[in-house]
Amino acid sequence: DGGITQSPKYLFRKEGQNVTLSCEQNLNHDAMYWYRQDPGQGLRLIYYSQIVNDFQKGDIAEGYSVSREKKESFPLTVTSAQKNPTAFYLCATQPGSSSSYEQYFGPGTRLTVT
Amino acid sequence: SQQGEEDPQALSIQEGENATMNCSYKTSINNLQWYRQNSGRGLVHLILIRSNEREKHSGRLRVTLDTSKKSSSLLITASRAADTASYFCATDRSGANNLFFGTGTRLTVIP
Repeated sequence: DGGITQSPKYLFRKEGQNVTLSCEQNLNHDAMYWYRQDPGQGLRLIYYSQIVNDFQKGDIAEGYSVSREKKESFPLTVTSAQKNPTAFYLCATQPGSSSSYEQYFGPGTRLTVT
Repeated sequence: SQQGEEDPQALSIQEGENATMNCSYKTSINNLQWYRQNSGRGLVHLILIRSNEREKHSGRLRVTLDTSKKSSSLLITASRAADTASYFCATDRSGANNLFFGTGTRLTVIP
């Protein structure tokens, strides 16, 4: 997990509220990713960014938004439009944009919406 | 979907035994990666194997890749209780610079 900070570790929100998950990295990596993981499931890609001020939708972008104003930061907002937001959210970085690089993961944020 | 599928979904073995996990995928790839996840934590990269490689070793890990069968296996030799975790394969996506992750194998090593 070194070099990637996700805060908070646990987050609780009421239904209908937007919530922003933080992801900060000091690895100087160009690419950053947000994944969602549901119990007993693999990772699904929400959004990714290969360069500052640019990002692309992943497989399940609906109900989420991101920004990449700084190289070291890639916050994810879970909006009220996301139908089932309770999940474990993982942020990852990659040194470059090529898929031949390994990804480095943060410790994750567990979001519970009631 | 390109997403890989691991087999078995869960595996329980005694300490000292070998553990083998398999991954199948659907389309051509440039490389395949294996990751490990301890419960409630982020993933940690274990090994990457390129499409022109058939086998790769790293410590107690041995990975094979058969592109004709679109499958890979991860072998952990002489398992330890600390190897208890979920293991995921990840494949790159044609024309894109991101990864598909499989559904994972939950490995339990009994002391």
